[in-house]
Formats: sequence, C-alpha cells, structure tokens
Amino acid sequence: GAVVSQHPSRVICKSGTSVKIECRSLDFQATTMFWYRQFPKQSLMLMATSNEGSKATYEQGVEKDKFLINHASLTLSTLTVTSAHPEDSSFYICSARDRGGRGVGYTFGSGTRLTVV
Amino acid sequence: GNSVTQMEGPVTLSEEAFLTINCTYTATGYPSLFWYVQYPGEGLQLLLKATKADDKGSNKGFEATYRKETTSFHLEKGSVQVSDSAVYFCALNSGAGSYQLTFGKGTKLSVIP
Repeated sequence: GAVVSQHPSRVICKSGTSVKIECRSLDFQATTMFWYRQFPKQSLMLMATSNEGSKATYEQGVEKDKFLINHASLTLSTLTVTSAHPEDSSFYICSARDRGGRGVGYTFGSGTRLTVV
Repeated sequence: GNSVTQMEGPVTLSEEAFLTINCTYTATGYPSLFWYVQYPGEGLQLLLKATKADDKGSNKGFEATYRKETTSFHLEKGSVQVSDSAVYFCALNSGAGSYQLTFGKGTKLSVIP
C-alpha cells in the first residue's frame, strides 16, 4: 500500500533555530500534501495544504512566514519551522493525497515530535 | 460548514468487551467517511472507510455503517483486545473538489486485560 515516510521522528532544538521536517511519498505521486499539528490530547489541526509546484494555502491563524512549506516535487514536501520557540513544541503530521486515482485516499506520515528548549 | 462530533473519552474496557464509539457528522453534499487509528507516538492509520450511504466499512474486526438518515458512522467491534488501545478519529471528506479531511476530536480507548 501507499507509504509516506516522515522524518525525523523526533527532534530537539534550541530556541531561535530552524527545523526542517520532510515527508516523502514512497510509491505514489502526492499531488496534495496536508500538514497538521496535534496538541496533547487534542485532535489534528490543519495548518496548510500544499499542491506540487504551487504555494501552500495556510489556514487562518497559521503564520506562513514561520511555518514554511515547500512542495517542490510530487514525492517530497517539507515543513520548516523557523526561529522556533518553546510554544512551537508539538507533534506534526503530514498527509498525502494519492494522485493515482485510488479514490479518496490519504496516507499519513508517522509524525514528528518537535521539542524546542 | 463541515463538522464531526464523536463521543468524548477516555473509554476503558475489559478485554473481549463490545466497543461502540459514536460519530455523527454535518456536511454538505455526499461526504466520504473515515475512521483513523493512532497508536501512541505514531501517525494516523486508516482503519476503514465508506463512500456512500449504507456502505459498511470493515477491517480488523471493526465495522462502521454510513447512515445518511441519522448522519452517523459509529465504530463497533465485538470483542476488543489490549492491542486495540489507541486513539480513534472519525473524519469526513465532503468531496465537491475539496480534498481536506475534517476530523473529530478523537476518542482514547484503553483496553485492560
């Protein structure tokens, strides 16, 4: 089945630094990638939607200059948390929509636990 | 707009007990409905889905039936196992050119031996 590889699975960074999270679709072409943020004991909050080759669409309240999303190819999307602060600590999950016409199919990455110290 | 309401947890059951997690939705058009499962420290995995009214999705002993008349998609399993302990999310996609998923808040299930 479809697989999305997300890494790193865990990252600890110092406040003020930037962190890049990658999601790769391994055996299908992901025309659309969704990035979510999940707070402890809460549901997933959609941050942005990116389509290959175009700018990401951010949800209301999400700072696009802080959470940079790049979807340069059909198999790779990245989320960069710039100038990270402790309040950015969270669990980030990507989800890819399969271009291959398999119906309504979404494949999730395994998530990245970001801790900013 | 679209919304998904699922029963709040946590839910604690003994092994081999019957499980029901309620999910109701509000959506325009004819949405597709999903149940996802999240094990501790991991991303989401599709558990089952249904794309039209009266469809029954099933997987690993779990079932859910798309009930348009009651706008519901309740998750059931006849005999839970300790390994079923996880957080379960009900979700919908409204279609009509949108690929976004709308999630419920999740229900944490703990199964004790």
